[in-house]
Amino acid sequence: QVQLQESGPGLVKPSETLSLTCAVSGYSISSGYYWGWIRQPPGKGLEWIGSIYHSGSTYYNPSLKSRVTISVDTSKNQFSLKLSSVTAADTAVYYCARQGTFELGMATIKYWGQGTLVTVSS
Amino acid sequence: QSALTQPRSVSGSPGQSVTISCTGTSSDVGGYNYVSWYQQHPGKAPKLMIYDVSKRPSGVPDRFSGSKSGNTASLTISGLQAEDEADYYCCSYAGSYTSVVFGGGTKLTVL
Repeated sequence: QVQLQESGPGLVKPSETLSLTCAVSGYSISSGYYWGWIRQPPGKGLEWIGSIYHSGSTYYNPSLKSRVTISVDTSKNQFSLKLSSVTAADTAVYYCARQGTFELGMATIKYWGQGTLVTVSS
Repeated sequence: QSALTQPRSVSGSPGQSVTISCTGTSSDVGGYNYVSWYQQHPGKAPKLMIYDVSKRPSGVPDRFSGSKSGNTASLTISGLQAEDEADYYCCSYAGSYTSVVFGGGTKLTVL
């Protein structure tokens, strides 16, 4: 059974960089699939942040692209998110997820982490 | 503003059917047969209910079905049950630049 677990600080100061890691168990990232980050501000809808293929190719939401970096560490079977210059608008529950096996299948998200709330506040 | 448009809320009585629409453009919903639907209960992670417009993952009841016509995808839930009360989100592949877009979500109330 594939399991994903987010970890990282729950509180980040404005203008700083938000950093989260997603540990994957039950499946080797290097075997395939797209791996992504999705967020949900309190009381609002889902927003795709970006994804990475096991080979390292990245795909970012155009509205966040200038501030987002997603990387993968296959040796630790985990992938990470960095979001720079955060503001209160970046306060959200951040989910990591396993998406499809090919690019067009990125909209198919079967496995999700439990989510972690990150608050941006001084 | 979300890329895909969903009604903010729908409701139905137990046993009835409801349909949730998801309207996009020819660059997303209308351009690809890669639309998915997610169910989210409060405080929980979303759950995949439909993928590739109309396919159901194993374990999802056949009361849930998906379809698409032009730029609009739809999720139909028949034989409504109390546990179906949740938020529902559509999602579509949107090309190599935008990649993935979500709808704003629809709150389903079972009366």
